[in-house]
Amino acid sequence: QSVLTQPPSASGTPGQRVTISCSGSNSNIGINFVFWYQQLPGAAPKVVLQRNNQRPSGVPDRFSGSKSGTSASLAISGLRSEDEATYHCAAWDDSLKGWVFGGGTQLTVL
Amino acid sequence: QVQLQESGPGLVKPSETLSLTCTVSGGSITGYYWSWVRQPPGKGLEWIGNIYYRGRTEYNPSLKGRVTMSVDTSKEQLSLKLRSMTAADTAVYYCARGGSKYGFDSFDYWGQGSLVTVSP
Repeated sequence: QSVLTQPPSASGTPGQRVTISCSGSNSNIGINFVFWYQQLPGAAPKVVLQRNNQRPSGVPDRFSGSKSGTSASLAISGLRSEDEATYHCAAWDDSLKGWVFGGGTQLTVL
Repeated sequence: QVQLQESGPGLVKPSETLSLTCTVSGGSITGYYWSWVRQPPGKGLEWIGNIYYRGRTEYNPSLKGRVTMSVDTSKEQLSLKLRSMTAADTAVYYCARGGSKYGFDSFDYWGQGSLVTVSP
């Protein structure tokens, strides 16, 4: 059971906008930054959003993030086949004194 | 370009100690936090702990004192030891740069991962 809660799956067609949610608590998302990682099949995770909504160099502006209270979301607009991956959210938890992750959301591009 | 490479045994017997090494190239260990993260087959990511280049560590409390991390800046290597291994510890183990305490930075570089299976 992961500390952060994500839907196990999401899907969309090419060109669509998809949103993936991540729900936490006052000890993690409520007071700390949220990070999002993309994991292609058989590969290591790669950061696509940091500090709630900042894109690292090289990540297309189709990826955006937001946070409100104890929840965060990742949005991908203009969906492309190469976006098909598992997306994980993460945050530091002040009560547990460590990093916590969501269970991951498998995104399928139909 | 910073690269991380994990190395270690692919198979560990129950109750034994796992020892993994992460070699950093294309950059320096100095100045950064470094983390270990694992992923059981078909499951999500779990943070194991982090180590600052000067040796200060933070461990996941759920691992109940079974973890030890160390750093060798002269060799640009990190090491992970996990004692009393059980089948529940079967996972892909990643080393990653970043993941400092209080969550200000991301895990921005990752190794390719090392699959560790616990079996008699």
